[in-house]
Amino acid sequence: KQEVTQIPAALSVPEGENLVLNCSFTDSAIYNLQWFRQDPGKGLTSLLLIQSSQREQTSGRLNASLDKSSGRSTLYIAASQPGDSATYLCATGSSGGYQKVTFGTGTKLQVIP
Amino acid sequence: NAGVTQTPKFQVLKTGQSMTLQCAQDMNHEYMSWYRQDPGMGLRLIHYSVGAGITDQGEVPNGYNVSRSTTEDFPLRLLSAAPSQTSVYFCASKDRGTGELFFGEGSRLTVL
Repeated sequence: KQEVTQIPAALSVPEGENLVLNCSFTDSAIYNLQWFRQDPGKGLTSLLLIQSSQREQTSGRLNASLDKSSGRSTLYIAASQPGDSATYLCATGSSGGYQKVTFGTGTKLQVIP
Repeated sequence: NAGVTQTPKFQVLKTGQSMTLQCAQDMNHEYMSWYRQDPGMGLRLIHYSVGAGITDQGEVPNGYNVSRSTTEDFPLRLLSAAPSQTSVYFCASKDRGTGELFFGEGSRLTVL
């Protein structure tokens, strides 16, 4: 059974700092890995999707990497801003069938002005 | 392009009442699913569908029913609400090719 872990559960950084969020998973036979952002009281917004054959994806100030062999993904946020404050979740999709999705419990990020 | 649309956004029920959470997507995705999100429990899969007429149970299906008569719609029914079903419910659709998930804004349900 796939288990996805995100450490730390919460993170507070000053504005302008570059930061890395971590996601680890136990089963490396994944189809893809997706990073989401969730604002309080809102739904999940897709940030980046990495297919199993890819090593990284970039969107603006965000860069996500994937290392299947070590069961790890990182989300790098450059020059953090207060608007980046949210909970960030990673999720792995399995191969085959419905491509079962397993979510981590998230990292709550606070960027202090 | 509206994406995934859920209604209602908020609902208060009394124990034993029934209701339906509506979910619609306009991306022609075959895969749709319902999750509930509770503090400390993360997101848990309730039911999912891989196409019109095909549904299956997820991790926590008890107390919920689904049907899928069209590609666009995937309603979630609570037949007899219980306080344990107080939660935030999310509908999601998935691009079958890339596996990318798209979520609705959520429906916050309180059962008294």
